[in-house]
Amino acid sequence: RKEVEQDPGPFNVPEGATVAFNCTYSNSASQSFFWYRQDCRKEPKLLMSVYSSGNEDGRFTAQLNRASQYISLLIRDSKLSDSATYLCVVNGPGTGGFKTIFGAGTRLFVKA
Amino acid sequence: NAGVTQTPKFRVLKTGQSMTLLCAQDMNHEYMYWYRQDPGMGLRLIHYSVGEGTTAKGEVPDGYNVSRLKKQNFLLGLESAAPSQTSVYFCASKDGAQWPQHFGDGTRLSIL
Repeated sequence: RKEVEQDPGPFNVPEGATVAFNCTYSNSASQSFFWYRQDCRKEPKLLMSVYSSGNEDGRFTAQLNRASQYISLLIRDSKLSDSATYLCVVNGPGTGGFKTIFGAGTRLFVKA
Repeated sequence: NAGVTQTPKFRVLKTGQSMTLLCAQDMNHEYMYWYRQDPGMGLRLIHYSVGEGTTAKGEVPDGYNVSRLKKQNFLLGLESAAPSQTSVYFCASKDGAQWPQHFGDGTRLSIL
């Protein structure tokens, strides 16, 4: 089992739709969680951190469910510019210190 | 403020050739990382450094060497390139225990 798993998609949604992605992680001791966005042939960029109480940034909402060991990203009112790959990142204890694991990403295509 | 700069952007090598990828950051960050990204897989950590003069192995270190002689630079070397090292390489840096990691825009390396 992968330490961090994401549905690769692609998710094809019309403009204005609401779409949600989940990411599961295997290490219950994981401590911090993030969503990154990666555009085609570009570098990953931090989209938002994920806090235990859940957090919102405009049209984006991130949530953490420690009991079931997953994080989620909800995008409301999708825009064409939201088309990208969304990477889940989990940070926690590992050999020799902290370990950061990137998921393989979920591809989103928003259509006009 | 350039952030994280990687050179070169693209390179094609023949099997057995050697080369060095350079990562430079101007944010005075302590931590620097080298990742590779392959289709269908998350970013995988090759080597990392928590400060000038220190390096450590990541998840997939074989076939690579690194050096951090200056705080702002982190070099990734391929001594004898193999086709399996064809990938997109990303460098990242961060300020100690703080997030996020800031990424360079990648180096696309093909080994024939």
